Amino acid sequence: DQQVKQNSPSLSVQEGRISILNCDYTNSMFDYFLWYKKYPAEGPTFLISISSIKDKNEDGRFTVFLNKSAKHLSLHIVPSQPGDSAVYFCAARKDTGNQFYFGTGTSLTVIP
Amino acid sequence: EADIYQTPRYLVIGTGKKITLECSQTMGHDKMYWYQQDPGMELHLIHYSYGVNSTEKGDLSSESTVSRIRTEHFPLTLESARPSHTSQYLCASSEYHLASEKLFFGSGTQLSVL
Repeated sequence: DQQVKQNSPSLSVQEGRISILNCDYTNSMFDYFLWYKKYPAEGPTFLISISSIKDKNEDGRFTVFLNKSAKHLSLHIVPSQPGDSAVYFCAARKDTGNQFYFGTGTSLTVIP
Repeated sequence: EADIYQTPRYLVIGTGKKITLECSQTMGHDKMYWYQQDPGMELHLIHYSYGVNSTEKGDLSSESTVSRIRTEHFPLTLESARPSHTSQYLCASSEYHLASEKLFFGSGTQLSVL
């Protein structure tokens, strides 16, 4: 049973607007979350992380929000750029040293 | 920029062949991983290692094997490739003892078995 879910397989956004990618998880023991970006035929690259002691983390155009009670996190990209077009994966981990569980990804297309 | 390398990038082989996918990292990370990923699917953990002479199987059943004789090197071997092994294979490494652990991925090997 999948513990990390990304229910939107794809998302299209106009350049300059906000992209919001969502991720839900089922295991309340998850305490650390990551977002990765992946281009076709490439490996994922790290974008941003958040610990369960926080509800928001920002890095430039990227902000991750965590709602522990809803077991939900989201990645906001503002403003969206055509180079942001890629597949975005969220991942979650229970404790330090344990394995990460990945979602199925959301393919973002930013339209110029 | 992550210093983790995978070779080959692309591989097309026939059924029954033995293959080894190479992965090396120069970051001195103790933990290394092999993931398998198909389009539209999550990354599935197939093997991982906490350090030299440590190897563990992940959640996804795999007919592959791994070895960890040196910290920097974590090759994956398929003794007899089958069409069902066609997939992208991703190697990663991390400093697993950190609360703020990040996985660093290689560029992947796209394997096609005919």
